[in-house]
Amino acid sequence: AQSVSQHNHHVILSEAASLELGCNYSYGGTVNLFWYVQYPGQHLQLLLKYFSGDPLVKGIKGFEAEFIKSKFSFNLRKPSVQWSDTAEYFCAVSLLRADKLIFGTGTRLQVFP
Amino acid sequence: EADIYQTPRYLVIGTGKKITLECSQTMGHDKMYWYQQDPGMELHLIHYSYGVNSTEKGDLSSESTVSRIRTEHFPLTLESARPSHTSQYLCASSEYGGGRAQGNIQYFGAGTRLSVL
Repeated sequence: AQSVSQHNHHVILSEAASLELGCNYSYGGTVNLFWYVQYPGQHLQLLLKYFSGDPLVKGIKGFEAEFIKSKFSFNLRKPSVQWSDTAEYFCAVSLLRADKLIFGTGTRLQVFP
Repeated sequence: EADIYQTPRYLVIGTGKKITLECSQTMGHDKMYWYQQDPGMELHLIHYSYGVNSTEKGDLSSESTVSRIRTEHFPLTLESARPSHTSQYLCASSEYGGGRAQGNIQYFGAGTRLSVL
Protein backbone atom coordinates (compact mmCIF):
# COMPACT_ATOMS: atom_id res chain seq x y z
CA ALA A 1 0.00 0.00 0.00
CA GLN A 2 1.12 3.52 -0.68
CA SER A 3 2.34 5.57 2.24
CA VAL A 4 3.72 9.02 2.90
CA SER A 5 6.39 9.75 5.50
CA GLN A 6 7.07 13.11 7.06
CA HIS A 7 10.10 12.71 9.25
CA ASN A 8 9.92 16.05 11.02
CA HIS A 9 7.01 16.00 13.44
CA HIS A 10 7.75 19.30 15.15
CA VAL A 11 10.06 22.03 13.92
CA ILE A 12 10.89 25.18 15.85
CA LEU A 13 12.62 28.05 14.07
CA SER A 14 13.39 31.70 14.56
CA GLU A 15 12.20 34.23 12.01
CA ALA A 16 14.44 34.52 8.94
CA ALA A 17 15.74 30.97 9.35
CA SER A 18 15.58 28.65 6.37
CA LEU A 19 13.09 25.80 6.31
CA GLU A 20 13.14 22.37 4.77
CA LEU A 21 10.48 19.79 5.56
CA GLY A 22 10.99 16.26 4.35
CA CYS A 23 8.41 14.14 2.55
CA ASN A 24 8.96 10.68 1.12
CA TYR A 25 6.42 8.39 -0.47
CA SER A 26 6.35 4.74 -1.30
CA TYR A 27 4.97 4.09 -4.74
CA GLY A 28 6.82 3.21 -7.90
CA GLY A 29 4.34 4.57 -10.41
CA THR A 30 3.46 8.06 -11.57
CA VAL A 31 2.18 10.23 -8.77
CA ASN A 32 0.74 13.64 -8.11
CA LEU A 33 2.25 15.44 -5.12
CA PHE A 34 0.83 18.09 -2.83
CA TRP A 35 1.69 20.17 0.18
CA TYR A 36 -1.21 21.46 2.24
CA VAL A 37 -1.00 23.93 5.12
CA GLN A 38 -3.32 24.39 8.06
CA TYR A 39 -2.95 27.66 9.94
CA PRO A 40 -4.25 27.72 13.52
CA GLY A 41 -8.03 27.63 13.54
CA GLN A 42 -8.28 27.51 9.76
CA HIS A 43 -9.02 24.87 7.14
CA LEU A 44 -6.48 22.95 5.12
CA GLN A 45 -5.27 24.97 2.14
CA LEU A 46 -3.26 23.93 -0.88
CA LEU A 47 0.27 25.32 -0.68
CA LEU A 48 1.59 23.85 -3.92
CA LYS A 49 1.28 20.86 -6.19
CA TYR A 50 3.27 18.86 -8.70
CA PHE A 51 1.60 17.04 -11.58
CA SER A 52 4.30 17.03 -14.27
CA GLY A 53 7.00 19.16 -15.87
CA ASP A 54 9.57 21.20 -13.95
CA PRO A 55 10.31 19.28 -10.74
CA LEU A 56 10.84 22.53 -8.87
CA VAL A 57 7.44 23.99 -8.12
CA LYS A 58 6.63 27.29 -6.52
CA GLY A 59 3.66 27.85 -4.31
CA ILE A 60 2.07 30.62 -2.33
CA LYS A 61 3.85 32.73 0.28
CA GLY A 62 7.34 32.03 -1.00
CA PHE A 63 7.25 28.26 -0.55
CA GLU A 64 8.73 25.87 -3.07
CA ALA A 65 9.15 22.12 -3.32
CA GLU A 66 11.38 19.87 -5.35
CA PHE A 67 10.30 16.52 -6.71
CA ILE A 68 13.22 14.07 -6.85
CA LYS A 69 11.86 10.96 -8.49
CA SER A 70 14.92 8.81 -7.76
CA LYS A 71 14.57 9.54 -4.05
CA PHE A 72 10.75 9.37 -3.95
CA SER A 73 10.87 12.73 -2.25
CA PHE A 74 9.00 16.03 -2.40
CA ASN A 75 10.62 18.28 0.18
CA LEU A 76 9.19 21.66 1.04
CA ARG A 77 11.48 24.68 1.37
CA LYS A 78 11.38 28.34 2.23
CA PRO A 79 14.54 30.44 2.41
CA SER A 80 13.34 32.75 5.19
CA VAL A 81 10.39 31.91 7.42
CA GLN A 82 8.09 34.39 9.09
CA TRP A 83 6.11 34.19 12.30
CA SER A 84 2.96 33.92 10.16
CA ASP A 85 4.23 30.62 8.75
CA THR A 86 3.44 28.96 12.07
CA ALA A 87 1.11 26.15 11.02
CA GLU A 88 0.84 22.44 10.38
CA TYR A 89 2.10 21.21 7.03
CA PHE A 90 0.87 18.05 5.34
CA CYS A 91 2.41 16.25 2.41
CA ALA A 92 0.02 14.20 0.27
CA VAL A 93 0.26 11.90 -2.71
CA SER A 94 -2.25 10.59 -5.22
CA LEU A 95 -1.80 8.22 -8.08
CA LEU A 96 -2.00 9.63 -11.58
CA ARG A 97 -5.61 10.41 -12.46
CA ALA A 98 -6.76 8.98 -9.14
CA ASP A 99 -8.83 10.84 -6.63
CA LYS A 100 -7.71 9.51 -3.30
CA LEU A 101 -5.13 11.50 -1.41
CA ILE A 102 -2.76 9.73 0.94
CA PHE A 103 -1.51 12.05 3.64
CA GLY A 104 1.55 12.09 5.84
CA THR A 105 1.20 12.65 9.58
CA GLY A 106 1.99 16.34 9.28
CA THR A 107 4.76 18.60 10.57
CA ARG A 108 4.01 21.25 13.12
CA LEU A 109 6.09 24.35 12.47
CA GLN A 110 6.50 27.00 15.14
CA VAL A 111 8.27 30.23 14.20
CA PHE A 112 9.34 32.58 16.96
CA PRO A 113 9.97 36.30 16.38
CA GLU B 1 -10.65 30.54 -1.43
CA ALA B 2 -12.72 27.38 -1.31
CA ASP B 3 -16.45 27.54 -0.65
CA ILE B 4 -16.98 24.44 1.39
CA TYR B 5 -18.77 24.59 4.70
CA GLN B 6 -19.01 22.23 7.60
CA THR B 7 -21.36 22.43 10.55
CA PRO B 8 -21.13 22.22 13.42
CA ARG B 9 -17.50 23.20 14.05
CA TYR B 10 -17.55 21.58 17.48
CA LEU B 11 -19.89 18.96 18.91
CA VAL B 12 -19.92 17.35 22.32
CA ILE B 13 -22.47 14.59 22.65
CA GLY B 14 -23.33 11.62 24.82
CA THR B 15 -22.91 7.98 23.92
CA GLY B 16 -25.74 6.47 21.91
CA LYS B 17 -26.92 9.66 20.26
CA LYS B 18 -27.49 9.89 16.53
CA ILE B 19 -25.57 12.71 14.88
CA THR B 20 -25.25 14.16 11.41
CA LEU B 21 -22.27 16.23 10.33
CA GLU B 22 -23.12 18.60 7.52
CA CYS B 23 -20.95 19.44 4.53
CA SER B 24 -21.89 21.71 1.65
CA GLN B 25 -19.96 23.16 -1.26
CA THR B 26 -20.98 25.84 -3.73
CA MET B 27 -18.35 25.14 -6.37
CA GLY B 28 -20.34 22.57 -8.33
CA HIS B 29 -17.73 19.88 -7.71
CA ASP B 30 -18.84 16.35 -8.49
CA LYS B 31 -16.41 14.67 -6.12
CA MET B 32 -16.65 14.92 -2.37
CA TYR B 33 -14.79 13.24 0.46
CA TRP B 34 -14.84 12.68 4.21
CA TYR B 35 -11.61 12.29 6.16
CA GLN B 36 -11.03 11.43 9.79
CA GLN B 37 -8.06 12.89 11.63
CA ASP B 38 -6.86 12.11 15.12
CA PRO B 39 -4.38 14.49 16.81
CA GLY B 40 -0.85 14.04 15.48
CA MET B 41 -1.99 11.54 12.90
CA GLU B 42 -2.53 11.60 9.17
CA LEU B 43 -5.88 12.18 7.55
CA HIS B 44 -7.64 8.95 6.64
CA LEU B 45 -10.26 8.75 3.90
CA ILE B 46 -13.48 7.22 5.25
CA HIS B 47 -16.02 7.99 2.49
CA TYR B 48 -16.12 9.51 -0.96
CA SER B 49 -18.60 10.24 -3.69
CA TYR B 50 -18.25 10.77 -7.43
CA GLY B 51 -21.61 12.43 -7.77
CA VAL B 52 -25.29 12.24 -6.91
CA ASN B 53 -26.34 8.80 -5.65
CA SER B 54 -22.71 7.64 -5.62
CA THR B 55 -21.03 6.75 -2.32
CA GLU B 56 -18.01 4.58 -1.61
CA LYS B 57 -16.14 3.53 1.50
CA GLY B 58 -12.63 4.82 1.91
CA ASP B 59 -9.44 3.24 3.13
CA LEU B 60 -10.25 3.48 6.82
CA SER B 61 -13.20 1.47 8.06
CA SER B 62 -15.84 3.65 9.66
CA GLU B 63 -19.19 2.99 11.30
CA SER B 64 -20.50 6.21 9.81
CA THR B 65 -22.66 6.42 6.69
CA VAL B 66 -23.00 9.08 4.03
CA SER B 67 -25.52 10.12 1.42
CA ARG B 68 -25.34 12.23 -1.72
CA ILE B 69 -28.80 13.29 -2.81
CA ARG B 70 -27.71 16.70 -4.08
CA THR B 71 -24.42 17.66 -5.72
CA GLU B 72 -23.64 20.32 -3.16
CA HIS B 73 -24.48 18.34 -0.03
CA PHE B 74 -22.61 15.36 1.49
CA PRO B 75 -23.70 14.69 5.09
CA LEU B 76 -22.14 12.09 7.36
CA THR B 77 -24.23 10.25 9.94
CA LEU B 78 -23.40 8.23 13.02
CA GLU B 79 -26.45 6.25 14.14
CA SER B 80 -25.14 5.66 17.65
CA ALA B 81 -22.14 7.69 18.72
CA ARG B 82 -19.45 6.10 20.89
CA PRO B 83 -16.33 7.50 22.57
CA SER B 84 -14.22 5.75 19.90
CA HIS B 85 -15.80 8.12 17.35
CA THR B 86 -14.15 11.11 19.02
CA SER B 87 -12.06 12.71 16.30
CA GLN B 88 -11.92 15.52 13.79
CA TYR B 89 -13.91 15.02 10.59
CA LEU B 90 -12.88 16.92 7.47
CA CYS B 91 -14.95 17.27 4.33
CA ALA B 92 -13.42 18.02 0.95
CA SER B 93 -14.45 18.41 -2.66
CA SER B 94 -12.42 18.33 -5.82
CA GLU B 95 -12.00 19.36 -9.40
CA TYR B 96 -9.40 18.25 -11.86
CA GLY B 97 -6.27 20.39 -11.75
CA GLY B 98 -5.03 20.05 -15.31
CA GLY B 99 -6.31 20.21 -18.87
CA ARG B 100 -5.38 16.60 -19.42
CA ALA B 101 -7.14 15.62 -16.21
CA GLN B 102 -3.86 14.61 -14.65
CA GLY B 103 -5.01 14.92 -11.13
CA ASN B 104 -7.37 16.61 -8.76
CA ILE B 105 -7.03 19.39 -6.24
CA GLN B 106 -9.07 18.87 -3.12
CA TYR B 107 -10.53 21.80 -1.20
CA PHE B 108 -11.24 21.33 2.47
CA GLY B 109 -13.79 22.59 4.92
CA ALA B 110 -12.84 23.82 8.39
CA GLY B 111 -13.73 20.49 9.97
CA THR B 112 -15.97 19.28 12.77
CA ARG B 113 -14.33 18.36 16.04
CA LEU B 114 -16.48 15.65 17.62
CA SER B 115 -16.25 14.55 21.24
CA VAL B 116 -18.39 11.66 22.43
CA LEU B 117 -18.65 11.31 26.19
